[in-house]
Amino acid sequence: NAGVTQTPKFRILKIGQSMTLQCTQDMNHNYMYWYRQDPGMGLKLIYYSVGAGITDKGEVPNGYNVSRSTTEDFPLRLELAAPSQTSVYFCASSYGGPSYEQYFGPGTRLTVT
Amino acid sequence: AQSVTQLDSHVSVSEGTPVLLRCNYSSSYSPSLFWYVQHPNKGLQLLLKYTSAATLVKGINGFEAEFKKSETSFHLTKPSAHMSDAAEYFCVVSAPNTGNQFYFGTGTSLTVIP
Repeated sequence: NAGVTQTPKFRILKIGQSMTLQCTQDMNHNYMYWYRQDPGMGLKLIYYSVGAGITDKGEVPNGYNVSRSTTEDFPLRLELAAPSQTSVYFCASSYGGPSYEQYFGPGTRLTVT
Repeated sequence: AQSVTQLDSHVSVSEGTPVLLRCNYSSSYSPSLFWYVQHPNKGLQLLLKYTSAATLVKGINGFEAEFKKSETSFHLTKPSAHMSDAAEYFCVVSAPNTGNQFYFGTGTSLTVIP
């Protein structure tokens, strides 16, 4: 039981490049989330999904896209990377909604130069 | 609207002394409240949660927190700090009207002095 896995662990992008951050969970959770964590700040929600085929925006969705074709996978797409997207990205999953514990992946550290 | 304020960005305690990390919240509805811990270069791990049952919540590693509605607080405590407690701690709020969103505080960095 691996929990929530994220790839890659680290990535350096040039301005204007695109990439996909991968997230997979093996707990059969319906809810999945993408957060970014900037230095000295709490986590900000980018997008979330309540099930396969259903996604919705969080607090900071601009510059990102998501899809949820399976229960297990929730990739985050960065189009036209900008320095402001330099951050640590965390994927999380939970069994249900707001009263349920979230399980977090180890994070992806992204630098855009 | 929901929000969380962690009153101290950094707390330093000596090993074996009590720990107090303070969190105030704002919520229009009955909230769910969580404390998560993040060790360096790691993901977040749940310490404990409150979801409208007992107001004193016990978590892992000897931590506990008390939900005080009148004070809108959810402070995290531990009677005796251990070196392994040194980490970043996040208070998190959610509520039925938040559309499945969670709101994180800015974090409290705990240092434990040997």
